[in-house]
Amino acid sequence: AQSVTQLGSHVSVSEGALVLLRCNYSSSVPPYLFWYVQYPNQGLQLLLKYTTGATLVKGINGFEAEFKKSETSFHLTKPSAHMSDAAEYFCAVGLSNFGNEKLTFGTGTRLTIIP
Amino acid sequence: NAGVTQTPKFRILKIGQSMTLQCTQDMNHNYMYWYRQDPGMGLKLIYYSVGAGITDKGEVPNGYNVSRSTTEDFPLRLELAAPSQTSVYFCASSSLGASRDTQYFGPGTRLTVL
Repeated sequence: AQSVTQLGSHVSVSEGALVLLRCNYSSSVPPYLFWYVQYPNQGLQLLLKYTTGATLVKGINGFEAEFKKSETSFHLTKPSAHMSDAAEYFCAVGLSNFGNEKLTFGTGTRLTIIP
Repeated sequence: NAGVTQTPKFRILKIGQSMTLQCTQDMNHNYMYWYRQDPGMGLKLIYYSVGAGITDKGEVPNGYNVSRSTTEDFPLRLELAAPSQTSVYFCASSSLGASRDTQYFGPGTRLTVL
């Protein structure tokens, strides 16, 4: 079984400031971890993912996330926020054992950028 | 390359009516998924399919049915619509299972049941 907790349903940051969106997971086997972004009135699109290998993962639009097994976390960061980053962000976890083909999503964090 | 397409974009149903939400992908993906998204609740999996002719229930299947007769199409059927089915519905597909591979999402269908 797996679950995801996103701390903070709404986060506001000033343009140019650091973006930090928090995600903690629980998983019975080594997890695969994802961040998806949803712009207004659109479907979700992949921002980045961790499957195996390097624990610091770089994604599109300058975002990155670090898999920390000891903290069961996969927080999303971006050094300098841009107005175009305003969107809803979803963390998701999948299980690495064969035959488990489902993804569990967190409840989402809506990011607002203050000019 | 269209990716994942969904029709209709919007629909209003009366209680007790039925409808089919259409989903088509042109990426030759084996895996297809239906989610519903409610405010503050994230995405909940309704049904999924690992290939033509194979479907399975997700987290919230009650009130819905699916079929997968071709690789490309994965329609979602609502029987006897209820207000609790008011939601935004997303179809997604992936080459490998969603737990390990990128999912590609359609633009969504916004359904209101009155």
